[in-house]
Amino acid sequence: DGGITQSPKYLFRKEGQNVTLSCEQNLNHDAMYWYRQDPGQGLRLIYYSQIVNDFQKGDIAEGYSVSREKKESFPLTVTSAQKNPTAFYLCASSNIFKAGRAYEQYFGPGTRLTVT
Amino acid sequence: GQQVMQIPQYQHVQEGEDFTTYCNSSTTLSNIQWYKQRPGGHPVFLIQLVKSGEVKKQKRLTFQFGEAKKNSSLHITATQTTDVGTYFCAGPTSGTYKYIFGTGTRLKVLA
Repeated sequence: DGGITQSPKYLFRKEGQNVTLSCEQNLNHDAMYWYRQDPGQGLRLIYYSQIVNDFQKGDIAEGYSVSREKKESFPLTVTSAQKNPTAFYLCASSNIFKAGRAYEQYFGPGTRLTVT
Repeated sequence: GQQVMQIPQYQHVQEGEDFTTYCNSSTTLSNIQWYKQRPGGHPVFLIQLVKSGEVKKQKRLTFQFGEAKKNSSLHITATQTTDVGTYFCAGPTSGTYKYIFGTGTRLKVLA
């Protein structure tokens, strides 16, 4: 059964603690993405990766870090430097552009992070 | 920087009424994608449009890509309660596979 898994579904942390969100995919996709969604808002790109051991900052990367050591995995760390970390975090994956063809993104179920 | 805006932000309709959301990009897009996010869920891909003036239909949903490839629309005929959710358009930034998502239109359907 192919797809993207994110864990945990809900996460609670105290202010000042780093927290790592898991994202795993078995779709054999090269590209992976992390988005942040605030209540009633759209999706904002945090980081994205096209290939193992390579990733780029999105529009709101400050206070976040990622790694891409395996094709299947793209964990996101929310550091204590992130000023307002409470949000819904979505991971996605897709095939990369090939011969001018764009591909859709497949999203995981998301992790709701609450920091108090 | 590149921006993708959607209007309206919210729309409440009676079941059976039609619904349209509009997506406008500040730059020309090579393609545009549409996603639906049910309340409490995650975005799910609906369709991709590539050609100027392209129109695609999925049952009661009609998607259109503008002639200038800077705008798009999603029209739902005779809404049903299962249409409830937020509809997002997304367009690629030039020369990358990074997509910018629109602000979304939240649809509520009153039975």
